[in-house]
Amino acid sequence: TQLLEQSPQFLSIQEGENLTVYCNSSSVFSSLQWYRQEPGEGPVLLVTVVTGGEVKKLKRLTFQFGDARKDSSLHITAAQPGDTGLYLCAGADTGGFKTIFGAGTRLFVKA
Amino acid sequence: KAGVTQTPRYLIKTRGQQVTLSCSPISGHRSVSWYQQTPGQGLQFLFEYFSETQRNKGNFPGRFSGRQFSNSRSEMNVSTLELGDSALYLCASSLGERHTQYFGPGTRLTVL
Repeated sequence: TQLLEQSPQFLSIQEGENLTVYCNSSSVFSSLQWYRQEPGEGPVLLVTVVTGGEVKKLKRLTFQFGDARKDSSLHITAAQPGDTGLYLCAGADTGGFKTIFGAGTRLFVKA
Repeated sequence: KAGVTQTPRYLIKTRGQQVTLSCSPISGHRSVSWYQQTPGQGLQFLFEYFSETQRNKGNFPGRFSGRQFSNSRSEMNVSTLELGDSALYLCASSLGERHTQYFGPGTRLTVL
């Protein structure tokens, strides 16, 4: 069974701090997505990474896909209260038929 | 392009009743997946439809069923509702296998 483990589960930081969220697996994924979800809403796609070693930047967010395509990280620079939410990573298995979701990292940024 | 839409957004039912939720995917997307999200269990995969055929199914009882129409719109049905079925039900669409999923806003179901 493929699993995606996210860490940490909860994170409460002050505005302006930096943070990194990790998504790890023992399985190889053909692609990996990061989503952000606000209470009562559906997850919103932030990025898709496909190539091992790939790094993508989205303003203050930096996403990295591991060389072996088994893990990924999300780094936020100078966090803002608007970054508060549940961050989910999701991996498409190499067969492509299923998407596996991590349990999520709940981030709270205090002003 | 319009995003994934789900109706209704909120629903309150009582135990034993049944409910039907609807999902309209992004135009051109033929794959629709359904998920149940609860605080304790996170996102749990229910099933996935592609071109009107169920391609994958999660570990949910037979009370949970779905279908997809020729226009790719999908419905999910839950019969004999239980208190534990209270959750946010999310629908996601994609072009197909190996393609990124895009989520709708969800239907919040409360079972009393």
